[in-house]
Amino acid sequence: ELKVEQNPLFLSMQEGKNYTIYCNYSTTSDRLYWYRQDPGKSLESLFVLLSNGAVKQEGRLMASLDTKARLSTLHITAAVHDLSATYFCAVDKETSGSRLTFGEGTQLTVNP
Amino acid sequence: DSGVTQTPKHLITATGQRVTLRCSPRSGDLSVYWYQQSLDQGLQFLIQYYNGEERAKGNILERFSAQQFPDLHSELNLSSLELGDSALYFCASSVDGGDSSYNSPLHFGNGTRLTVT
Repeated sequence: ELKVEQNPLFLSMQEGKNYTIYCNYSTTSDRLYWYRQDPGKSLESLFVLLSNGAVKQEGRLMASLDTKARLSTLHITAAVHDLSATYFCAVDKETSGSRLTFGEGTQLTVNP
Repeated sequence: DSGVTQTPKHLITATGQRVTLRCSPRSGDLSVYWYQQSLDQGLQFLIQYYNGEERAKGNILERFSAQQFPDLHSELNLSSLELGDSALYFCASSVDGGDSSYNSPLHFGNGTRLTVT
């Protein structure tokens, strides 16, 4: 069974600081996705990482994928309050076609 | 706006009842997915349809069923409802999903919040 684990689950940080969210998964996969969810809202796609060593950046967020380590990171640079949300990583379980298996989510709070 | 439309937004019903949740995918998307989000279980994949046919099944209970119609909209039917079925139910769509080469992200609707009393 595919397991996706995020660390930390809760993160409170100050504006201007940097931090990294980690996503580990238990089985081979070449496709990893990051989503953002605001409270009570839908999930918004942030990044799609399709190969080992893939790195994508959008604003203050940068995501990377190491398929050999089965690890993805979401790095936050100089956090601002607007980044407060829950961030999910999700892995595509290629062989079974069950599509995305989500991590537990990391609830990020950026304080002024 | 993701382009995925879910109705209703909120649903309150009693145990033992049956409800139907509706989803219209983004224009051009052939795959529809249903997910359940609850505090204790997180985001759980329920079922996927591709161009009218069931493609993949996840943790979907036997009391739940779904279908995708010729116009590609989908319905999720939940019956014999229990308190534990209270959750946010998301529909998502993608243009692919018919084979193992898919790599486009899923686009999620705003969800239907189901409360079972």
